[in-house]
Amino acid sequence: QKEVEQNSGPLSVPEGAIASLNCTYSDRGSQSFFWYRQYSGKSPELIMFIYSNGDKEDGRFTAQLNKASQYVSLLIRDSQPSDSATYLCAVSGGGYNFNKFYFGSGTKLNVKP
Amino acid sequence: NAGVTQTPKFQVLKTGQSMTLQCAQDMNHNSMYWYRQDPGMGLRLIYYSASEGTTDKGEVPNGYNVSRLNKREFSLRLESAAPSQTSVYFCASSEAGGTEAFFGQGTRLTVV
Repeated sequence: QKEVEQNSGPLSVPEGAIASLNCTYSDRGSQSFFWYRQYSGKSPELIMFIYSNGDKEDGRFTAQLNKASQYVSLLIRDSQPSDSATYLCAVSGGGYNFNKFYFGSGTKLNVKP
Repeated sequence: NAGVTQTPKFQVLKTGQSMTLQCAQDMNHNSMYWYRQDPGMGLRLIYYSASEGTTDKGEVPNGYNVSRLNKREFSLRLESAAPSQTSVYFCASSEAGGTEAFFGQGTRLTVV
């Protein structure tokens, strides 16, 4: 079982719609959760991080965390064509593995004009 | 502000050759990481260094060695390159374990 699971997509949404990206993780001890955006041929760039259960908003982005369900999501409101990229969910290890980050394989998002 | 800098950006090796990938960060971060990214596989941790003077294996350490030269620099060495090591390699750093990581621009390595 992989540490972090994501639907590979592609997820297609029309411009202006809400894109919902989901991620599940296996280590109940994980404490830190991150969303990265990666354009083709580029390096991952941090969009958001969340440490506590609930929602965290930053501009058009909202991260949601539910530790009981081991579930993290990213909502992108008013999606733009420039949001088209692969979104990577990352989770820190629990316990002695807290120095490690585990990544999902990413969800490819296409925003259609 | 350079952030995380990797060299080289591209490299072609013949099977059996060795090489070292260099990584340096100027953010005074304690933790540094090496990942490889293959199509459909996401980022997989090769080695990491939680702090200067320490290194630990990640998910896929076989065929690699690392050196944390000082707080700024963390190198990855392939002693005898194999075609299975063809990949994009990313170095990253974070202030401490569990905090957000920042990535270098990547090294695209092809082993023929």
